[in-house]
Amino acid sequence: SAVISQKPSRDICQRGTSLTIQCQVDSQVTMMFWYRQQPGQSLTLIATANQGSEATYESGFVIDKFPISRPNLTFSTLTVSNMSPEDSSIYLCSVVPGTEAFFGQGTRLTVV
Amino acid sequence: DAKTTQPTSMDCAEGRAANLPCNHSTISGNEYVYWYRQIHSQGPQYIIHGLKNNETNEMASLIITEDRKSSTLILPHATLRDTAVYYCIVTGGTSYGKLTFGQGTILTVHP
Repeated sequence: SAVISQKPSRDICQRGTSLTIQCQVDSQVTMMFWYRQQPGQSLTLIATANQGSEATYESGFVIDKFPISRPNLTFSTLTVSNMSPEDSSIYLCSVVPGTEAFFGQGTRLTVV
Repeated sequence: DAKTTQPTSMDCAEGRAANLPCNHSTISGNEYVYWYRQIHSQGPQYIIHGLKNNETNEMASLIITEDRKSSTLILPHATLRDTAVYYCIVTGGTSYGKLTFGQGTILTVHP
């Protein structure tokens, strides 16, 4: 199993600013995953973060908008850059230490 | 990963079994069927997974048809706390973490 801590749990931000979300895991994992859940929608994978290499982004997501860091095997950050109201969503990180995925509680972001 | 189809919503009486269906007709031989659920305002929670045999754990049972084109998640004695969105996901190989979530089934358990 894995316990994931995400910070902040929620935030309200002004448009044009950036927010960095932190994800801490209680064990070492090779890959960490970042998802977005827009209001009333399902989860969509943003990118996969590997330690020691650049993150791999899914179609529709770019590094300039969602830069990711992965400095070690237990930590990752996702930055939402130059925010607009359309970025208002829940952002979740996930890890798969075995064959099942574990998720953080998410960061609820509101952009005004 | 294979696409899945689930009913949009289902109701269940508390204490009764909840049977949630999922169609995955394009599943390939090395792909597993996973079930997760998301209770309001929380991150998704793993429930169960299987390849071709029926599986049971402390939370639920998973019944997979012989042709593997569909499956059913069974919550044997649903409680109010089981009210959630249930996602059926097909994935395999090295893709365990890259999950494709459909819209899922909103299960409402009534007193």
